[in-house]
Amino acid sequence: DGGITQSPKYLFRKEGQNVTLSCEQNLNHDAMYWYRQDPGQGLRLIYYSQIVNDFQKGDIAEGYSVSREKKESFPLTVTSAQKNPTAFYLCASRDSGTSGETQYFGPGTRLLVL
Amino acid sequence: QQPVQSPQAVILREGEDAVINCSSSKALYSVHWYRQKHGEAPVFLMILLKGGEQKGHEKISASFNEKKQQSSLYLTASQLSYSGTYFCGTVDRGSTLGRLYFGRGTQLTVWP
Repeated sequence: DGGITQSPKYLFRKEGQNVTLSCEQNLNHDAMYWYRQDPGQGLRLIYYSQIVNDFQKGDIAEGYSVSREKKESFPLTVTSAQKNPTAFYLCASRDSGTSGETQYFGPGTRLLVL
Repeated sequence: QQPVQSPQAVILREGEDAVINCSSSKALYSVHWYRQKHGEAPVFLMILLKGGEQKGHEKISASFNEKKQQSSLYLTASQLSYSGTYFCGTVDRGSTLGRLYFGRGTQLTVWP
């Protein structure tokens, strides 16, 4: 089955701790994205990557870091510099094969601060 | 670049119709519509690429007015399963392809 997986489903972070959210896709998509969603808000872009070994900051990159060493994987690290990390984090990948460049989302990771 | 959605919330009875609007201050390349159920990921509904294009699937359809830089999503004869938050995402004409800007969402509640 082709799709996007994110793990864990729930993640708890202690103050001062870095945590890493996993995102894997087997859709052979080149581009991948990380979004943050807060209650009553839309989706805000954290980082995106259009190709392996390359990524760009989105609108709210401060306190986050990413890597893109493999086409299939785009992990997001929430660092201790992110003072308000509690949110729903969504990973997406983009299908460039169809017209319009549709993005598809993984199931999400809910991050909570202890 | 974030598009503006209206209304913020809609409450319907089963079988009623609804319209959700999405407008941008920028010239648009495409408009994408998603539906998100509580606690789940957004699910892609449809994409509109050309001005004047209309698309539909069963009782959910959408239009794209390129000149007015806006799109509308039409839900007819609503069903309980239509409940959720609807987001539009826009790609600006001339911007990095694939960079989507999302509206804040419209919460749709359908009652029996």
